[in-house]
Amino acid sequence: DAGITQSPRYKITETGRQVTLMCHQTWSHSYMFWYRQDLGHGLRLIYYSAAADITDKGEVPDGYVVSRSKTENFPLTLESATRSQTSVYFCASARTGRGDTQYFGPGTRLTVL
Amino acid sequence: AQSVTQLDSHVSVSEGTPVLLRCNYSSSYSPSLFWYVQHPNKGLQLLLKYTSAATLVKGINGFEAEFKKSETSFHLTKPSAHMSDAAEYFCVVSGGQFYFGTGTSLTVIP
Repeated sequence: DAGITQSPRYKITETGRQVTLMCHQTWSHSYMFWYRQDLGHGLRLIYYSAAADITDKGEVPDGYVVSRSKTENFPLTLESATRSQTSVYFCASARTGRGDTQYFGPGTRLTVL
Repeated sequence: AQSVTQLDSHVSVSEGTPVLLRCNYSSSYSPSLFWYVQHPNKGLQLLLKYTSAATLVKGINGFEAEFKKSETSFHLTKPSAHMSDAAEYFCVVSGGQFYFGTGTSLTVIP
């Protein structure tokens, strides 16, 4: 049972480049989430999705784009990366709702130079 | 509105001694409460969850937490700390979405 996986685990990119972080879950959970974790800010919700083709903004969505064409995948794209987007990104999934138990992936450490 | 406050940003204990990580919550109705653990360079792992059943909740690795409505608290405890318990711990209140505490870093001294 693979659970929830993220790729890549580490990424270094340059300012202005487009970057896509991948998230895949094998549980067929309806809900999926993207968070970023920064010192002093804890975990902040970027975007979430209630089902395929249904996405909504979280607390810090600016500069990010998401899509969900299949239930199991929820990619996060930084269309033009900025240094302030250097962070650790976590994907999570939940079976039935935003308040349901969330299961987290291992994270992607992104550095924008 | 929902919020959660973790009262200690850092806790140090000696191996074999009890662990207490404190969490107070604010919720306009009966909440679901969670504790997650994050080991270095890892994702968050669910330790335990309270959903209005028994007020004393047992989790993995010997951890437990007690829901006290009168004190609006959900403190995490473990009778005897192990070196492998060194990690960051997050208290979460759920009210339609997750509200994370700022985390408590637990150090275990050999």
